Amino acid sequence: NAGVTQTPKFRVLKTGQSMTLLCAQDMNHEYMYWYRQDPGMGLRLIHYSVGEGTTAKGEVPDGYNVSRLKKQNFLLGLESAAPSQTSVYFCASRAGQSNTEAFFGQGTRLTVV
Amino acid sequence: GDSVTQMEGPVTLSEEAFLTINCTYTATGYPSLFWYVQYPGEGLQLLLKATKADDKGSNKGFEATYRKETTSFHLEKGSVQVSDSAVYFCAARMNSGGYQKVTFGTGTKLQVIP
Repeated sequence: NAGVTQTPKFRVLKTGQSMTLLCAQDMNHEYMYWYRQDPGMGLRLIHYSVGEGTTAKGEVPDGYNVSRLKKQNFLLGLESAAPSQTSVYFCASRAGQSNTEAFFGQGTRLTVV
Repeated sequence: GDSVTQMEGPVTLSEEAFLTINCTYTATGYPSLFWYVQYPGEGLQLLLKATKADDKGSNKGFEATYRKETTSFHLEKGSVQVSDSAVYFCAARMNSGGYQKVTFGTGTKLQVIP
């Protein structure tokens, strides 16, 4: 019963490097989300997807790209990492119907030096 | 715009004390309201929810009532335990341009000491 799985759990990048965070869910959920969590700011939505092959911008999309080629996977990419992207990243998924619960991954702690 | 405001932490309580974490929201419509809990090193877990006015969500001894007149959803527990130490997030979900947008509060850290 895996739920939502994020990889990697920790990563340190140098400024300008690129990387991809993977989110996988095994609940056949339609909706998937990427958030970042920063001290004193709660969770802010970066990008989201309402189904396979679709993506949309959230509140803080700049510097990130996403892809949803398969329903179960939602990838978050950083093309050129910046120190401002140091954060804890959470993926979440939800079935498409109204009032359904969102399930979160355990988070990825990213440090950009 | 839509927003969720939580009381600032950290909140430190002794075991068996009464807990209240305030949460208020601003929204143009009638959102669904949630409390999430984040234990150290883990992701957020849904604690309880309420989808309409006067609904009371409850779970694990925690309760919160959806108060439309005061636009509030305060979290309460009568007797906290050390195991309740975590960060608590209030959230509101509302329709925004055909998408159900979830807005989170900044989180309130609770520390319960023996």
